[in-house]
Amino acid sequence: QTVVTQEPSLTVSPGGTVTLTCASSTGAVTSSYYPSWFQQKPGQAPRALIYSTSNKHSWTPARFSGSLLGGKAALTLSGVQPEDEAEFYCLLYSDGTWVFGGGTKLTVL
Amino acid sequence: QITLKESGPTLVKPTQTLTLTCTFSGFSLSTPAVGVGWIRQPPGKALEWLSLIYWDDDKRYSPSLKTRLTITKDTSKNQVVLTMTNMDPVDTATYYCAHQGGVKPFDIWGQGTVVTVSS
Repeated sequence: QTVVTQEPSLTVSPGGTVTLTCASSTGAVTSSYYPSWFQQKPGQAPRALIYSTSNKHSWTPARFSGSLLGGKAALTLSGVQPEDEAEFYCLLYSDGTWVFGGGTKLTVL
Repeated sequence: QITLKESGPTLVKPTQTLTLTCTFSGFSLSTPAVGVGWIRQPPGKALEWLSLIYWDDDKRYSPSLKTRLTITKDTSKNQVVLTMTNMDPVDTATYYCAHQGGVKPFDIWGQGTVVTVSS
């Protein structure tokens, strides 16, 4: 079964920029994996941010962007706000099934 | 407006079968490309995708849990039911259902329901 790997934790200063990545054990992540990104704050259900690599939902703040970077899916936050502190999960489509990454805890400090 | 809500027991005993129901509104599971999925999250741990059922009754399961899971839909009731057999304490988690809209996986989530497995 595919294993999806994310950075366990990252720290960024308010107003800064940070990139989270998402790798697949099967090889390079491409658009065929339909990478998606989700944000989860404590005690809340996850909220979808990005789908199909780089597409934003209507509620996704403009400072969030998705891309493919060096064989991985990437989520970049530009102009980070204190309220962006959360756990972020990527999701990949592989062989007809979906796999979540282990999550990245983003600290804004 | 799309909404989903999970329901089911809060406590099950080891070896028992868990049955969870997702009741939704704001969309139809007879619409092409639409689906409903189940995801769980053990306390303090990551999300884990479990299963997905599409509008055409195509069903997908996590390979690691495939033998224990069954997903069904009742389009007339706007419900999706997930059963998981042979429950174990490691299955203790918050269980979520979520809407799948074409290429937008899990764009809308339910609030989740907490299931504890204990004797």
